[in-house]
Amino acid sequence: RKEVEQDPGPFNVPEGATVAFNCTYSNSASQSFFWYRQDCRKEPKLLMSVYSSGNEDGRFTAQLNRASQYISLLIRDSKLSDSATYLCVVPPSGSARQLTFGSGTQLTVLP
Amino acid sequence: DAEITQSPRHKITETGRQVTLACHQTWNHNNMFWYRQDLGHGLRLIHYSYGVQDTNKGEVSDGYSVSRSNTEDLPLTLESAASSQTSVYFCASSESRLAGRYEQYFGPGTRLTVT
Repeated sequence: RKEVEQDPGPFNVPEGATVAFNCTYSNSASQSFFWYRQDCRKEPKLLMSVYSSGNEDGRFTAQLNRASQYISLLIRDSKLSDSATYLCVVPPSGSARQLTFGSGTQLTVLP
Repeated sequence: DAEITQSPRHKITETGRQVTLACHQTWNHNNMFWYRQDLGHGLRLIHYSYGVQDTNKGEVSDGYSVSRSNTEDLPLTLESAASSQTSVYFCASSESRLAGRYEQYFGPGTRLTVT
């Protein structure tokens, strides 16, 4: 099983829609989880950190299900500017300071 | 403001040449990382360092080396550039005052083409 698996998409949604991405991970000992956003040809940028059951920041909500080993990212009231690739990130087995990046889920918000 | 920078931003080199990519951060972070990103592979770890004089191999380290002589810099050297090393290279750093919270912050990337 891969350390991190994401649905690559693409997800094409209309402006104002709610969209959710799921990510599964294999390291059951992970204590921290992250969602990064990456715009085309640019560096990944930290979107949200998750250390307990979830986190919310404005239109963005991340939830953690430890029993099933998946995390989700919910985006409400999608904006055109939300179009990007969203990377699910977790520490790999045996190392807390490293991070393993999922391949990303591509989101396009349509006018 | 503290930041992480990479240079050059774009580089074209020939097969067999030695190339060094610079990474400099002003956050005083102990942990620094080099990744490459290719279509279909996502971000893959090349080398990393947890402090001065500490370097470690990542999953795709063959043909690359790093050195850490101070906290701020982790240069990445391609010993003899190959066409398979054409990629986008990202440097990142992290620090944490709380165990288990190691968010990484990325530089803008270097686009390397080996001809």
